[in-house]
Amino acid sequence: QLVLTQSPSASASLGASVKLTCTLSSGHSSYAIAWHQQQPEKGPRYLMQLNSDGSHNKGDGIPDRFSGSSSGAERYLTISSLQSEDEADYYCQTWDTGIRVFGGGTKLTVL
Amino acid sequence: VQLVESGGGLVQPGESLRLSCAASGFIFSSYEMNWVRQAPGEGLEWISSISSSGSTIYYADSVQGRFTISRDNAKNSLYLQMNSLGVEDTAVYYCARATQRIFDYWGQGTLVILSS
Repeated sequence: QLVLTQSPSASASLGASVKLTCTLSSGHSSYAIAWHQQQPEKGPRYLMQLNSDGSHNKGDGIPDRFSGSSSGAERYLTISSLQSEDEADYYCQTWDTGIRVFGGGTKLTVL
Repeated sequence: VQLVESGGGLVQPGESLRLSCAASGFIFSSYEMNWVRQAPGEGLEWISSISSSGSTIYYADSVQGRFTISRDNAKNSLYLQMNSLGVEDTAVYYCARATQRIFDYWGQGTLVILSS
């Protein structure tokens, strides 16, 4: 069964960097994912597609501070030079034939 | 690219509701479209997708048999017919465009509240 696992919460200081993790279920380590950001009281926004080799394609207008990387079944979203507006929920998303799957989301707090 | 949902509101359990999503700024007929919902305080839940032509449709188990997705490419519109609604269907409903199954644009959502 295709499942994405994310830690419920993360925190980092203003100006620092943070690395969020999304883990693919067993047998699905080659799958690409997408990262989405949801700021409070807003709809989600697409950040990037992230492939198993670490290559990624960002959405329109996504700052260079957002980057992605991969290792095995883990997919990472790194945000550098944290700003207050980065405080948001971050979701990973993937797919298979007939289904689209979201991780449970990570709530990022900027201290 | 703009996606604007409408049709949400307050309904009683067992009733029906039809949501719409008006698309603009891209060639609507070339893209898969999806509905995703978010219950209060919860995460995102994919509920249905429809291929660019409308020939291929998928549903999540939670809505299979109760919800029907459709599209009108001539009107650049996506729809979700929701029947036999229950309190568990209370959520903000988003439409999302997909490019190679990646959700690359989202609407702002429409709120559906089930209350007796």
